[in-house]
Amino acid sequence: EAQVTQNPRYLITVTGKKLTVTCSQNMNHEYMSWYRQDPGLGLRQIYYSMNVEVTDKGDVPEGYKVSRKEKRNFPLILESPSPNQTSLYFCASSLRVFLNEQFFGPGTRLTVL
Amino acid sequence: KNEVEQSPQNLTAQEGEFITINCSYSVGISALHWLQQHPGGGIVSLFMLSSGKKKHGRLIATINIQEKHSSLHITASHPRDSAVYICAVRGNTDKLIFGTGTRLQVFP
Repeated sequence: EAQVTQNPRYLITVTGKKLTVTCSQNMNHEYMSWYRQDPGLGLRQIYYSMNVEVTDKGDVPEGYKVSRKEKRNFPLILESPSPNQTSLYFCASSLRVFLNEQFFGPGTRLTVL
Repeated sequence: KNEVEQSPQNLTAQEGEFITINCSYSVGISALHWLQQHPGGGIVSLFMLSSGKKKHGRLIATINIQEKHSSLHITASHPRDSAVYICAVRGNTDKLIFGTGTRLQVFP
């Protein structure tokens, strides 16, 4: 089944404890992206990747890191999480960046205490 | 002012009603997406448009590039259509810009 998977789905952590949210797709998509969703603000792009070893900042990259060592995986790393990073996170992928449907992962609800 | 504006923000309807959700944008775009977010949080892509009109079942999406406006129509609405509908545009960069969504509730 074609899908985007994210892990974990739910995470409660404390300020400063490094964490990684994994994202994997099995559709051989070139484009992958991370978004956060906050009430009243909608979805905002954190980072995106056009292909392996190619990543770029979205609108809200501060406090996040990403890597794209393999085509299928695009982990989101929070080196020192803070409470303002409490949010619902979505990973998405598409075949290419333009004129292609986006496939979203199920979301990761992160709470930073 | 947001680059992507949706209206209305909230919408309630009776089962069977015809529903229209609007999206206006202020940037040049290469494509516009309509997404559906279920009450459980999952997001599904409904349409991607660069011109004209697309239809899938009871859903119809239209776009007017000159007026920078798109509409999502739901015919014969049903309670299972209750969700948040999100418009997103891709401009001349690699980023998607999202509207804040329209929350639709359809009552039996």
